[in-house]
Amino acid sequence: RKEVEQDPGPFNVPEGATVAFNCTYSNSASQSFFWYRQDCRKEPKLLMSVYSSGNEDGRFTAQLNRASQYISLLIRDSKLSDSATYLCAPLGPGGYNKLIFGAGTRLAVHP
Amino acid sequence: DAGVIQSPRHEVTEMGQEVTLRCKPISGHNSLFWYRQTMMRGLELLIYFNNNVPIDDSGMPEDRFSAKMPNASFSTLKIQPSEPRDSAVYFCASQTSGGYNEQFFGPGTRLTVL
Repeated sequence: RKEVEQDPGPFNVPEGATVAFNCTYSNSASQSFFWYRQDCRKEPKLLMSVYSSGNEDGRFTAQLNRASQYISLLIRDSKLSDSATYLCAPLGPGGYNKLIFGAGTRLAVHP
Repeated sequence: DAGVIQSPRHEVTEMGQEVTLRCKPISGHNSLFWYRQTMMRGLELLIYFNNNVPIDDSGMPEDRFSAKMPNASFSTLKIQPSEPRDSAVYFCASQTSGGYNEQFFGPGTRLTVL
């Protein structure tokens, strides 16, 4: 089983739609979780951090379910500019800031 | 402020050649990470430095790969000899240590080994 699993998509949604991605992780000791956004042929950039049960930032909401070992990312009122790949990254073991990245979920928002 | 700087941005080489990738982290960041990204394997951590010292190199694929950080503002990742399966995008990222802070990624080096 992979350490971090994501549905690769693509999720094709119209502008204004609400879309949600899930990410499951295998290490029950992970305490911190992150969503990164990666545009085509660009570097990943931090979108949101999740330390407790969840976090909300504008149209974006991240939620953590420790019992089931998954985190989700909800995007409301999708914009064309939200089209990207979303990478889930739990903080791994090792005592330092080691991120374990999922393969990513691709989102395509169309007019 | 300048972000993480990587060079070259693109590298095409032939199998068996030596390849050196370079990274300049953000000034003041004392943690540096080298990642490799491919379609098949996603984004993988190769090696992590803290205060110029390699802390975790368990992700380095094999002896053909080596990384150095001679000072706080420069790091290299070397592949010798290169093989076609090394073709990937190599990212460098830097971060301040002490709690969790954002990892800032460089633009990456797209390596093609023929």
